[in-house]
Amino acid sequence: GENVEQHPSTLSVQEGDSAVIKCTYSDSASNYFPWYKQELGKRPQLIIDIRSNVGEKKDQRIAVTLNKTAKHFSLHITETQPEDSAVYFCAASYNNNDMRFGAGTRLTVKP
Amino acid sequence: GAGVSQSPSNKVTEKGKDVELRCDPISGHTALYWYRQSLGQGLEFLIYFQGNSAPDKSGLPSDRFSAERTGGSVSTLTIQRTQQEDSAVYLCASSLPPAGGGEQYFGPGTRLTVT
Repeated sequence: GENVEQHPSTLSVQEGDSAVIKCTYSDSASNYFPWYKQELGKRPQLIIDIRSNVGEKKDQRIAVTLNKTAKHFSLHITETQPEDSAVYFCAASYNNNDMRFGAGTRLTVKP
Repeated sequence: GAGVSQSPSNKVTEKGKDVELRCDPISGHTALYWYRQSLGQGLEFLIYFQGNSAPDKSGLPSDRFSAERTGGSVSTLTIQRTQQEDSAVYLCASSLPPAGGGEQYFGPGTRLTVT
């Protein structure tokens, strides 16, 4: 089955700086890679996703890049704000079957 | 529309007792997942149902854990002879069929405390 590793486990940045979270996956058949944000005490919610037919996707201050050859993908948050503070999870699956999550990254944005 | 619901929201039980946790997925979502999340930790995959296919039970931590999904809709996660290390938030998520989209919609979770 799929195995997803995520780094770093914690990340602290100054407001306005960029934050990058990286994930690797093991199953070369995986073709769907979502990112979820979980604020304290709340359920995870999808913030962006990418499919294997593209290498990069942007949505305002967040972007995700995918390197299929190396089997890794990254989340980039620019101009970070305190409200970006949360735990972020990457995940990987084949056609949304049998999704597996990374262990999470706790992002703290210091004002 | 209605999202994923879970019940109970909180459950306190004594060590050794059995518990049942319920998940009502979004109507039309054929995929249903159970995850466990200990305090400050990640999402630990437990079990995955997809339509009428045999479930992927590879994440269940022991034979004390089981789950079923009746009629392709409601799912129940059962933990027998609960232990203190079972204390966690149990999250359920559902999603559309594979070709219909990728987003998993999470329920609010059930916080299980084993005393």
